[in-house]
Amino acid sequence: NAGVTQTPKFQVLKTGQSMTLQCAQDMNHNSMYWYRQDPGMGLRLIYYSASEGTTDKGEVPNGYNVSRLNKREFSLRLESAAPSQTSVYFCASSEVWGKETQYFGPGTRLLVL
Amino acid sequence: GNSVTQMEGPVTLSEEAFLTINCTYTATGYPSLFWYVQYPGEGLQLLLKATKADDKGSNKGFEATYRKETTSFHLEKGSVQVSDSAVYFCALSWGGGADGLTFGKGTHLIIQP
Repeated sequence: NAGVTQTPKFQVLKTGQSMTLQCAQDMNHNSMYWYRQDPGMGLRLIYYSASEGTTDKGEVPNGYNVSRLNKREFSLRLESAAPSQTSVYFCASSEVWGKETQYFGPGTRLLVL
Repeated sequence: GNSVTQMEGPVTLSEEAFLTINCTYTATGYPSLFWYVQYPGEGLQLLLKATKADDKGSNKGFEATYRKETTSFHLEKGSVQVSDSAVYFCALSWGGGADGLTFGKGTHLIIQP
């Protein structure tokens, strides 16, 4: 039981390049989330998927897109990376949407030059 | 909107000292409250939670009580260890939308032997 897995662990991009961050969970959870973590800012929600087939914007969605591929997988895409997107990205899941505990992946460290 | 305010660190204590990390919140509705812990290079993991007023969450010697009258969820531990060194996040979740998932900025705790 791996929990929440993320790939890659670390990535360097040049400004304007695109990439997709992958996330998968094996806990049969309905809800999944993408956060970014920046020094002094805590965690900020980028997008979430309350259930398979739905996605919604979080606090900081600009410059990102998401796909809930199936119940297990939730990807985050940067179409044209900018230095302001340098951050650590965390995927999380919870059994249902609402007042539930979230389970986090190990994170992807992204550097945009 | 919803918000979580927690004391910012770093907080430096000696081993076996008493720990309090303050957390207050603003929320519409009746959220669940959480403390998550992040060890260096890892994702967040649940430390404890409380789902309604006057509930006490506890785990690994840490405790926090959901105080609706003071909108607080302070984290305490009677005797800290070097292994407790980490970043601690207070969070709320109530499922009302994107702003129903809110994290504090995190408190970096350093325990010296």
